[in-house]
Amino acid sequence: IAGITQAPTSQILAAGRRMTLRCTQDMRHNAMYWYRQDLGLGLRLIHYSNTAGTTGKGEVPDGYSVSRANTDDFPLTLASAVPSQTSVYFCASSDGLAGGNEQFFGPGTRLTVL
Amino acid sequence: GQNIDQPTEMTATEGAIVQINCTYQTSGFNGLFWYQQHAGEAPTFLSYNVLDGLEEKGRFSSFLSRSKGYSYLLLKELQMKDSASYLCAGLDSNYQLIWGAGTKLIIKP
Repeated sequence: IAGITQAPTSQILAAGRRMTLRCTQDMRHNAMYWYRQDLGLGLRLIHYSNTAGTTGKGEVPDGYSVSRANTDDFPLTLASAVPSQTSVYFCASSDGLAGGNEQFFGPGTRLTVL
Repeated sequence: GQNIDQPTEMTATEGAIVQINCTYQTSGFNGLFWYQQHAGEAPTFLSYNVLDGLEEKGRFSSFLSRSKGYSYLLLKELQMKDSASYLCAGLDSNYQLIWGAGTKLIIKP
């Protein structure tokens, strides 16, 4: 693994189904983030984790949950998918943002909820 | 509230110079980032400014004025591969990034 990976690349999901988007990084970054990106809107933060074992809510957390059992993995779960959750989901990691440390993004998961 | 404003779309000619503006309002301020995002791909880091002034990095430069809540990204000697969206993001007092919707830059030959 080099950098940050996400799986699946894309998914079509029936409304009401449960879905987990996977994210793994090998850079030993403390902080990880989940964003959604919708046409005409900026990236919106769903949940974040500043370090393993801790998580926090972002701007649009409803309908989503996360866990951070270790440094490398940060899965995002949709408990019961709804069509408004159709979006492109990006996972990112950083060594914290203080001092201008950049966020590194995964390739994204394109999710369609029907 | 927190807000980042940038133009939706700009068009420029190959070889020319283009300036993409961004105004921001954040709860506290810990710097401003610019990212590039090609269609269908992930955003990639371009620059970070926390002090007033111009930061130059090859063909790309970024400027910040904290008193005006204003930044711009300057791209020189435009190439076709510079066709992309450019995302402005402000870092607030909680060290969370507030993102603009992005400026789609179209380069014409």
